[in-house]
Amino acid sequence: DQQVKQNSPSLSVQEGRISILNCDYTNSMFDYFLWYKKYPAEGPTFLISISSIKDKNEDGRFTVFLNKSAKHLSLHIVPSQPGDSAVYFCAASQRSNDYKLSFGAGTTVTVRA
Amino acid sequence: DAGVTQSPTHLIKTRGQQVTLRCSPISGHKSVSWYQQVLGQGPQFIFQYYEKEERGRGNFPDRFSARQFPNYSSELNVNALLLGDSALYLCASSFGFFMGNQPQHFGDGTRLSIL
Repeated sequence: DQQVKQNSPSLSVQEGRISILNCDYTNSMFDYFLWYKKYPAEGPTFLISISSIKDKNEDGRFTVFLNKSAKHLSLHIVPSQPGDSAVYFCAASQRSNDYKLSFGAGTTVTVRA
Repeated sequence: DAGVTQSPTHLIKTRGQQVTLRCSPISGHKSVSWYQQVLGQGPQFIFQYYEKEERGRGNFPDRFSARQFPNYSSELNVNALLLGDSALYLCASSFGFFMGNQPQHFGDGTRLSIL
């Protein structure tokens, strides 16, 4: 049962513009949400996280928004740069489930020059 | 400092065989987690080990087992390999028990192909 879903397999954006990646979840008991970035032939790299008690977290060009009522979160990248071209995974964890991370299937972002 | 290292990088096995994958965490990290990533999907949690004890297990059959050594390195063992076990196996480490809100540092993975 896929509890974390990324319904857009790919996203193409022009350099300098905003990239918006979306993630939906079904488990209202998730405590933390994380975004990871993955380049080919490398392991995922942590980008940013947000607690379920917050609705926004910002780190440089990356901002994550959480809408608990809609069970939806999004990652904004502003401005997008060529080095941002990668696969982005949304993940979530639940304290009462030993914090096991559940990942979405990923969104491939391509930043065009 | 070295990151998380995994060996081997690639591995080819046949159905029914057994395989052992190895992971060395970042120095000072005491928690190691294992994930399976099938092509086109996100990583799926297999195990977390902290201080040499299993602290979490995902929805995988008993053919999958793991252990953590006194130096915090870890091995993942898979017995009676099936074609469906073909995947990228990722190891991740964190300083303490991973509680969902801090970064895990991933290795580059072991690509396992079953023929």
